Amino acid sequence: QTVVTQEPSLTVSPGGTVTLTCASSAGPVNSGYYTSWFQQKPGQPPTSLIYKTNYKHSWTPARFSGSLVGDKGALTLSGAQPEDEADYYCLLYNAGAQMFGGGTKLTVL
Amino acid sequence: QITLKESGPTLVKPTQTLKLTCTFSGFSLGSSGLGVGWIRQPPGKALEWLALIFWDDEKRYNPSLKSRLTISKDTSKNQVFLTMTNMDPLDTATYYCARGAYCGGDCYDYWGQGTLVTVSS
Repeated sequence: QTVVTQEPSLTVSPGGTVTLTCASSAGPVNSGYYTSWFQQKPGQPPTSLIYKTNYKHSWTPARFSGSLVGDKGALTLSGAQPEDEADYYCLLYNAGAQMFGGGTKLTVL
Repeated sequence: QITLKESGPTLVKPTQTLKLTCTFSGFSLGSSGLGVGWIRQPPGKALEWLALIFWDDEKRYNPSLKSRLTISKDTSKNQVFLTMTNMDPLDTATYYCARGAYCGGDCYDYWGQGTLVTVSS
């Protein structure tokens, strides 16, 4: 079974830039995986940030962007704010099924 | 305004069958391209995708749970249902429903608040 891997934890300074990645054991992540990214704060449901690799919702702050970096999906946060401290999950689509990554705990410190 | 709300039992016994309901507003599953999915999250753990149903009744399931899951809908009542058989304590989790859309792949935007289901005797 395919495993989706994310960094377990990352730390970014306020105002700094950080990239979270999403890898698949099935091979390189490309546009056909339609990578999505979700933010989840404690006690809250996830919020969708990015879909189809790099598309933003109307509510997605401009400082978040999605892309492909090497053979992985990526979420870049430019100009981190204290309120960006949260868990982040990627979701990959493949042949009619979907799989979440294990999540990245992002600390803004 | 788009909202989704999960409902169902908060406590089920091992081996029992769980039935959850997602009641939504602000959109219709009669609309082409739209769907509703189910995702769960055990306490302190990662999200796990369970199932998705589309406007045209196409259904997708997590392969590792497919034998235990059934997703269905009542378009006229704006409801989607998830049935999971043979519940186990490891199925203890918060269960979320979310609006899906066919975007080439499958994409989600709006989520419900979730409902915590505990499996215990």
